[in-house]
Amino acid sequence: EDQVTQSPEALRLQEGESSSLNCSYTVSGLRGLFWYRQDPGKGPEFLFTLYSAGEEKEKERLKATLTKKESFLHITAPKPEDSATYLCAVGGSASKIIFGSGTRLSIRP
Amino acid sequence: DAGVTQSPTHLIKTRGQQVTLRCSPKSGHDTVSWYQQALGQGPQFIFQYYEEEERQRGNFPDRFSGHQFPNYSSELNVNALLLGDSALYLCASSVGVSGANVLTFGAGSRLTVL
Repeated sequence: EDQVTQSPEALRLQEGESSSLNCSYTVSGLRGLFWYRQDPGKGPEFLFTLYSAGEEKEKERLKATLTKKESFLHITAPKPEDSATYLCAVGGSASKIIFGSGTRLSIRP
Repeated sequence: DAGVTQSPTHLIKTRGQQVTLRCSPKSGHDTVSWYQQALGQGPQFIFQYYEEEERQRGNFPDRFSGHQFPNYSSELNVNALLLGDSALYLCASSVGVSGANVLTFGAGSRLTVL
């Protein structure tokens, strides 16, 4: 059964303090590994798709990487507006997209 | 270009009642997936509709049912509501059926069961 585990559950950083979020996964026939951002009271917003091990993608202060078992979301010099819940998800050969429980990130000014 | 729209945004029901939630997908999208998100948890996959048929289903009881219409819009029905059904229900749309598809989410329908 496809499964996604995210750690830590919550992370509090000072503005400018870089860190990484972890996503471990098991999936039958990986088709895509996704990162979404969710603000309180809103639906998830798409950030990145990674398709194969070794792939990396960047957007502003965020960088996502992928291995055969894990993905990392690196946050460089974060700002308070980066505070949100970050969700990792996988899509496999069964076509349904399965989400992890998320990491709640808080950036203090 | 309108994104995914869901209605109602909030609703309150009592145990044993039935509820219907509605979703209009993003223009150009033909696949709708429904998720349940409890407070502090990640979205849990309920089911996926494509070409008016249920294509995939998560670990949810038969009390949860759905429908997709010819214009690609969709409904989620929940019968015999339980307190544990209180959650944010998210609709997501995409193009076709694939594990590589990027999902576009609506803002959700917040269901409270008393």
